[in-house]
Amino acid sequence: EVQLEESGGGLVKPGGSLRLSCATSGLIFSNTWMSWVRQAPGKGLEWVATDGGTTEYAAPVKGRFTISRDDSKNTLYLQMNSLKTEDTAVYYCATNSIADYWGQGTLVTVSS
Amino acid sequence: DIVMTQSPDSLAVSLGERATINCKSSQSVLSNSNNKNYLAWYQQKPGQPPKLLIHWASTRESGVPDRFSGSGSGTDFTLTITSLQAEDVAVYYCHQYYTTPRTFGQGTKVEIK
Repeated sequence: EVQLEESGGGLVKPGGSLRLSCATSGLIFSNTWMSWVRQAPGKGLEWVATDGGTTEYAAPVKGRFTISRDDSKNTLYLQMNSLKTEDTAVYYCATNSIADYWGQGTLVTVSS
Repeated sequence: DIVMTQSPDSLAVSLGERATINCKSSQSVLSNSNNKNYLAWYQQKPGQPPKLLIHWASTRESGVPDRFSGSGSGTDFTLTITSLQAEDVAVYYCHQYYTTPRTFGQGTKVEIK
């Protein structure tokens, strides 16, 4: 059974940094494309970044966020720097280009 | 960027009746190389992550009830729920994974009338 578990969310001030983690099990992680998708409170879904061998980013986060992975730990990361209030959201990790498996999400709140 | 526009934003359907959600992309998401539409549908219930229902526009995921079906090609797609059940109350999103940035529709809220 594929399982994804995000962690690392919390309250941070504007301009601050956070690193999110997504621990996975039940899949061949090294062969799996992984993505981050976020959802602001009461809003829709927004793709953030994908690691599929090469990394790709949404325009609002490019240059501030970095997606990475540790295949030895079956874990995906999202390093978030220069955070803005508009980055406040639940951040989900998801597998493959079709996002067939999702974690439960971790809440990031950017506020002074 | 490919803009995904869903209609309606919300709909109320009686139990056992049909619900139809439309999704229109600003550019085609049909690949000429494999003749596949890079279009997925998700269901999201309150407090839960999205759940993949359909990919390649019409391929139902394992375990998804057959009252859910997807259709369409190119730029126009439809998610149909035949015989709506109480547990189908949720927000539904379409999503194109044809190109970066990947984009989602704004969501359609389905309620019971």
